[in-house]
Amino acid sequence: EAQVTQNPRYLITVTGKKLTVTCSQNMNHEYMSWYRQDPGLGLRQIYYSMNVEVTDKGDVPEGYKVSRKEKRNFPLILESPSPNQTSLYFCASRDSSRRGYTFGSGTRLTVV
Amino acid sequence: EDQVTQSPEALRLQEGESSSLNCSYTVSGLRGLFWYRQDPGKGPEFLFTLYSAGEEKEKERLKATLTKKESFLHITAPKPEDSATYLCAVRRRLYSGGSNYKLTFGKGTLLTVNP
Repeated sequence: EAQVTQNPRYLITVTGKKLTVTCSQNMNHEYMSWYRQDPGLGLRQIYYSMNVEVTDKGDVPEGYKVSRKEKRNFPLILESPSPNQTSLYFCASRDSSRRGYTFGSGTRLTVV
Repeated sequence: EDQVTQSPEALRLQEGESSSLNCSYTVSGLRGLFWYRQDPGKGPEFLFTLYSAGEEKEKERLKATLTKKESFLHITAPKPEDSATYLCAVRRRLYSGGSNYKLTFGKGTLLTVNP
């Protein structure tokens, strides 16, 4: 089944403790992206990647890092999480056709 | 700055009561307007892409249309399973001649269809 897989689905952590949210897609898509979704603010892009080793900042990149060493994986790294990074995170991928992104099921992160 | 405004914020319909959702946008150099459906606790699910004014796309009870300033998602004879949040997004090139795109989402319309 074609899909984007994120792990974990739920995560509660403490301020300052480094964490990684993994994202993997099995569709051989070139483009991958991370979004956060907050009530009243909608979906906002954190980082995106056009292909292996090519990444760029989205609208809200502060406090996040990404890497794209393989085409299928695009992990999101929070080096020192803070409570304002409590949010619902989505990974998404797409190919170069006219279709939109395929989204993962989301990771609900709580930083206390 | 790209802007996407969806209205209404919430819409409650009776089963079979047709209606429309609106997505107004301001973007320089539109490279696609997208509609997604999002169920609670799940990721958005792609519905349609529209590229030029006058274009229409249909899928079951949904029909999306596009003008130069807005898009409509028409829902004909909705059923309770159509209840979801519907998201609109616009895409443009980040740099002229480049292949980097920026996608900006609206805040969505929460649709509830009562049986």
